[in-house]
Amino acid sequence: DGGITQSPKYLFRKEGQNVTLSCEQNLNHDAMYWYRQDPGQGLRLIYYSQIVNDFQKGDIAEGYSVSREKKESFPLTVTSAQKNPTAFYLCASSTPGTSGREQFFGPGTRLTVL
Amino acid sequence: AQSVSQHNHHVILSEAASLELGCNYSYGGTVNLFWYVQYPGQHLQLLLKYFSGDPLVKGIKGFEAEFIKSKFSFNLRKPSVQWSDTAEYFCAVTLSGSARQLTFGSGTQLTVLP
Repeated sequence: DGGITQSPKYLFRKEGQNVTLSCEQNLNHDAMYWYRQDPGQGLRLIYYSQIVNDFQKGDIAEGYSVSREKKESFPLTVTSAQKNPTAFYLCASSTPGTSGREQFFGPGTRLTVL
Repeated sequence: AQSVSQHNHHVILSEAASLELGCNYSYGGTVNLFWYVQYPGQHLQLLLKYFSGDPLVKGIKGFEAEFIKSKFSFNLRKPSVQWSDTAEYFCAVTLSGSARQLTFGSGTQLTVLP
């Protein structure tokens, strides 16, 4: 089955630790995205990548980092600099094109900082 | 700044009632519009989308939305809701041709009482 997988489903982190969230897609999509979902705030874009070895900051990139070494993979690292990391993180991907970029979402990772 | 507003944060309806969820956006150019749904414990998935043409768009599970350009609105409707429609609904907008991102509204939690 084609789709997006995220792991782990639940993640616990101690304050001061970096943690990496995995996102893999087998849809052959060029573009990939990371969003953060908080109650009552919808989804906010952290980083996005339109092509391998290239990525751009979204609206709330501070305290996060990404890499895009392979088309299929777009891992997100939540660093100790992120002041409020407890949230639900969603990865998405889409096909290139000039209109109607439908994004497909993974199941998400719920990160809790202890 | 670009923004999407969903004014109804939580809507409670009885089965068979009609539904209308509001979505307004503030964008200066030609837009693509989306409604996504997140059922409990499931992936965020696309409900319907508007790119161009007929402003009345039909989606899955009997949902439809109407794009009213003069009002910058894209309200979601369903004539008769079911208990299984209980979910969180997100409106999202992107500029046509934009490679960047979807901008999401804050979401509306719909609870349908049996």
